Amino acid sequence: AQSVTQPDIHITVSEGASLELRCNYSYGATPYLFWYVQSPGQGLQLLLKYFSGDTLVQGIKGFEAEFKRSQSSFNLRKPSVHWSDAAEYFCAGRGYNKLIFGAGTRLAVHP
Amino acid sequence: ETGVTQTPRHLVMGMTNKKSLKCEQHLGHNAMYWYKQSAKKPLELMFVYNFKEQTENNSVPSRFSPECPNSSHLFLHLHTLQPEDSALYLCASSQGPQGEVRADTQYFGPGTRLTVL
Repeated sequence: AQSVTQPDIHITVSEGASLELRCNYSYGATPYLFWYVQSPGQGLQLLLKYFSGDTLVQGIKGFEAEFKRSQSSFNLRKPSVHWSDAAEYFCAGRGYNKLIFGAGTRLAVHP
Repeated sequence: ETGVTQTPRHLVMGMTNKKSLKCEQHLGHNAMYWYKQSAKKPLELMFVYNFKEQTENNSVPSRFSPECPNSSHLFLHLHTLQPEDSALYLCASSQGPQGEVRADTQYFGPGTRLTVL
């Protein structure tokens, strides 16, 4: 079955530290993958997406993600985290006819 | 500004009340979606409309009744809800019908926080 897994429920990093949020997918065909961010009380904002081509995708707010077919991963990264990055992050992939979301990773940022 | 607005932002209702959630998209999209987001659970797709026609109902109880009068507006009518229906209800839209790559870039509204007493 098609699925998206985010292994980390909570992650805490210090401000200025680097960040990597993990996402693993399970698909038979070429996946279409997304990262969304949700601030408290808000809807989901699209950070970036991968459809094809360059496996390193740049997004908004200084985020990037790398598609690795051999590892079935699409991890989100940021070189230096800001306090305003504290939020919940969702990885999603295109299922047969709909988006499938991971359970989310909640990011806390320490000053 | 995501281009998708939802009203009200917060709603408290009793189990016998009837209320409606409204979603409007200003992006010229053709598909609209209702999702339910409960604590500690993945987003649950509830309904999908393509060109005003309902194309998906993910086994949602009949106490939730969607309505899509045109491609820009989507409603979720609520009646005789249960406390477990308390959640954040998110509306989203996308450019094309499901099955097309374009359809997968969904843009979300801010949500309606629903509390059922």
